[in-house]
Amino acid sequence: SAVISQKPSRDICQRGTSLTIQCQVDSQVTMMFWYRQQPGQSLTLIATANQGSEATYESGFVIDKFPISRPNLTFSTLTVSNMSPEDSSIYLCSVGDSLNQPQHFGDGTRLSIL
Amino acid sequence: SQQGEEDPQALSIQEGENATMNCSYKTSINNLQWYRQNSGRGLVHLILIRSNEREKHSGRLRVTLDTSKKSSSLLITASRAADTASYFCATDANAGKSTFGDGTTLTVKP
Repeated sequence: SAVISQKPSRDICQRGTSLTIQCQVDSQVTMMFWYRQQPGQSLTLIATANQGSEATYESGFVIDKFPISRPNLTFSTLTVSNMSPEDSSIYLCSVGDSLNQPQHFGDGTRLSIL
Repeated sequence: SQQGEEDPQALSIQEGENATMNCSYKTSINNLQWYRQNSGRGLVHLILIRSNEREKHSGRLRVTLDTSKKSSSLLITASRAADTASYFCATDANAGKSTFGDGTTLTVKP
């Protein structure tokens, strides 16, 4: 199965700043996804990262707040912009053939905003 | 609200005992998946069961699916301390996208 590396693993950021999270996969994958997981809670899909085109965002998530890039089939970034304490969460990258098939997850980025 | 709802929210057992977690969902599905998440890590896929299947096994894991009751269960037999983790079910009822439940936190005491 794919090996997924996420960076950074954790960060503490100031309110109003932005942070870019990187997701690197060791093989070419069809689909890459970004999730948010608030402490002790379930996962919420933010968007599907599309190679060479704009990401597909889920309801409640917008490109201005969570810009996503996917320049090739092995790499994607998620930026959390103009952060507020409500953005404190775990952000997870996953890959798979589709959203209703088994996904492989990175270990996540634990983000705290002061 | 989340499509899948697990119960119990938390479960604590002794090593060697069996652990059973349940997942209920609201609408028709094509498949249901179970994942494990160790503390501080990402999710690991355990089993996928299709809507036309009733039971699946993988090692010490047994998953059942009852589409008439819209429920699934995950049984871990002969539990080990290393099974301590959160377990999530995910269904694909939302336009084919996996929707995760709130999870069951399992603690296995040595």
